[in-house]
Amino acid sequence: EAGVTQSPTHLIKTRGQQVTLRCSPISGHTSVYWYQQALGLGLQFLLWYDEGEERNRGNFPPRFSGRQFPNYSSELNVNALELEDSALYLCASSLMGAATNEKLFFGSGTQLSVL
Amino acid sequence: RKEVEQDPGPFNVPEGATVAFNCTYSNSASQSFFWYRQDCRKEPKLLMSVYSSGNEDGRFTAQLNRASQYISLLIRDSKLSDSATYLCVVNTIGGGSNYKLTFGKGTLLTVNP
Repeated sequence: EAGVTQSPTHLIKTRGQQVTLRCSPISGHTSVYWYQQALGLGLQFLLWYDEGEERNRGNFPPRFSGRQFPNYSSELNVNALELEDSALYLCASSLMGAATNEKLFFGSGTQLSVL
Repeated sequence: RKEVEQDPGPFNVPEGATVAFNCTYSNSASQSFFWYRQDCRKEPKLLMSVYSSGNEDGRFTAQLNRASQYISLLIRDSKLSDSATYLCVVNTIGGGSNYKLTFGKGTLLTVNP
């Protein structure tokens, strides 16, 4: 069974550009989470989608946005890129987003470099 | 106080050693707790959930102290393959189903031959 897949694996952009990252959850998982892992900062929660709706959002500016499609795949969009957006962006999925003991399964991430 | 705070590390231990990691969380409404492991340049993977009564999985033991808002992970008889970053994760539920999983910065463990 395929795990969580993310694309692209690496991306280089310049300041001010826009980027779209993609994530396909494990088959049957309805919840998708996005995290940013910048060097030295640990994983920072970005967004949580479940059943096509945004359920929660981390402390990031509005230029970070996303959506979840009917097939539960998800996109993360970042507008007006800044140098500090350079990071590994990790997507994770879980079986039932509302449960309290959810286990996350992560993709390998997209490494974004902003020059 | 940070939402989830871990020992800064790094920890360097010889094979066979016992090592313990600590983690504190700030939100008393937190409902579930986990330890994840992240190898260098890899994605995090669930190591174990942490239950109120404490739980053990082979060489790994996790403990939770709700009164002190404290979680621990004990690794006995360390192996070279245990070298990784260990992430403390806390699930906090707010209004409705508005919850999020918050990760600590992680503690780097290196087990030396």
